[in-house]
Amino acid sequence: GAGVSQSPSNKVTEKGKDVELRCDPISGHTALYWYRQSLGQGLEFLIYFQGNSAPDKSGLPSDRFSAERTGGSVSTLTIQRTQQEDSAVYLCASSYTSFGRINYGYTFGSGTRLTVV
Amino acid sequence: LAKTTQPISMDSYEGQEVNITCSHNNIATNDYITWYQQFPSQGPRFIIQGYKTKVTNEVASLFIPADRKSSTLSLPRVSLSDTAVYYCLVGDMGKGDSNYQLIWGAGTKLIIKP
Repeated sequence: GAGVSQSPSNKVTEKGKDVELRCDPISGHTALYWYRQSLGQGLEFLIYFQGNSAPDKSGLPSDRFSAERTGGSVSTLTIQRTQQEDSAVYLCASSYTSFGRINYGYTFGSGTRLTVV
Repeated sequence: LAKTTQPISMDSYEGQEVNITCSHNNIATNDYITWYQQFPSQGPRFIIQGYKTKVTNEVASLFIPADRKSSTLSLPRVSLSDTAVYYCLVGDMGKGDSNYQLIWGAGTKLIIKP
């Protein structure tokens, strides 16, 4: 597609439930990133995929968070046993390469707003 | 990773020039300065990037003094649609992969009034 697509755009879930957030990157982009943004705050790095390499999971806040990227394209971020502090906007971005300038093909989706009640 | 400091918020009026300054006292030799714009319910969008002196594109100008310890994003003749949050980031372009871990501050919330 023309841009990075994320679904759902909004998700309300009960505390303790699992949720899956989906990201469709721009076709051909090899690098994919997940970030989290709390209200009024900057972005917090979660996980990074580059091609077929092992992902960098160093930003995941707990073992309740996991992500996979199938076929080098679509990615799913899963949060198990959601907690109220997980409420945030989850942003996905993709780029042709992770090297060089951070603006190089670095395109964000509109995010998924997760609310845990 | 260089830490940046920006004003929390700014107000201006349509048609005015707006300047947002970012401080980055511990910027390293290989670091570039990049500005992003974020509208409500959207992801950030790249505006401009520079290393030194002045960079200009169709959207904005970026002024960087010789010591590079600060930078100023200049938006000419703003309109209501320029109301957004603006983020200043500093990172080593040569380190490639590490840039996704740059620390994003809260940015500057710019409100343009009619």
